Amino acid sequence: QKEVEQNSGPLSVPEGAIASLNCTYSDRGSQSFFWYRQYSGKSPELIMSIYSNGDKEDGRFTAQLNKASQYVSLLIRDSQPSDSATYLCAVILTGGGNKLTFGTGTQLKVEL
Amino acid sequence: GAVVSQHPSRVICKSGTSVKIECRSLDFQATTMFWYRQFPKKSLMLMATSNEGSKATYEQGVEKDKFLINHASLTLSTLTVTSAHPEDSSFYICSANPGPMNTEAFFGQGTRLTVV
Repeated sequence: QKEVEQNSGPLSVPEGAIASLNCTYSDRGSQSFFWYRQYSGKSPELIMSIYSNGDKEDGRFTAQLNKASQYVSLLIRDSQPSDSATYLCAVILTGGGNKLTFGTGTQLKVEL
Repeated sequence: GAVVSQHPSRVICKSGTSVKIECRSLDFQATTMFWYRQFPKKSLMLMATSNEGSKATYEQGVEKDKFLINHASLTLSTLTVTSAHPEDSSFYICSANPGPMNTEAFFGQGTRLTVV
């Protein structure tokens, strides 16, 4: 079992819709979770961090964490074509200091 | 967010030569920086953790003599790819956290290395 798993996609949504990106992790002791956006040929950009169970909202983005289910998700409301990118889920594993373990990423395509 | 600057953004070198990549934290001090490699359509793979004033910690399978890391100051880490070969062609990215207690990592722009 991979430490951090994501569906590779592509996930296609129409403009204006809600995009839902999912991530599961294997280390039950993990406490820190992150979503990064990566455009093709560019480096990752931090979108959200979440540490507690529940929802965390920032603009059009909402991160959801469920530690019991070892599941973290990212919702993008009112999706725009500019949101088309690969979304990387990252987790700091137990005892990992600040070392991030990444999922393989989900490619999101927002269609006009 | 915090600013991490990486240079160069793109480099082409001949097989057998060495290439140095710089990673700077511009508005904070970083005792630790991280170096990743990313192949096309793949995720980021951590290569090593760069520690200011001490030896880097390399991930399993990464050759420390091939990928030399130096972290001589609190704002600069360098990665040198020695005796580069075409299979070393990749996207190399560094990251740093603005403070040891800050878990949010910020990434440099990345360096596209092509070895011909």
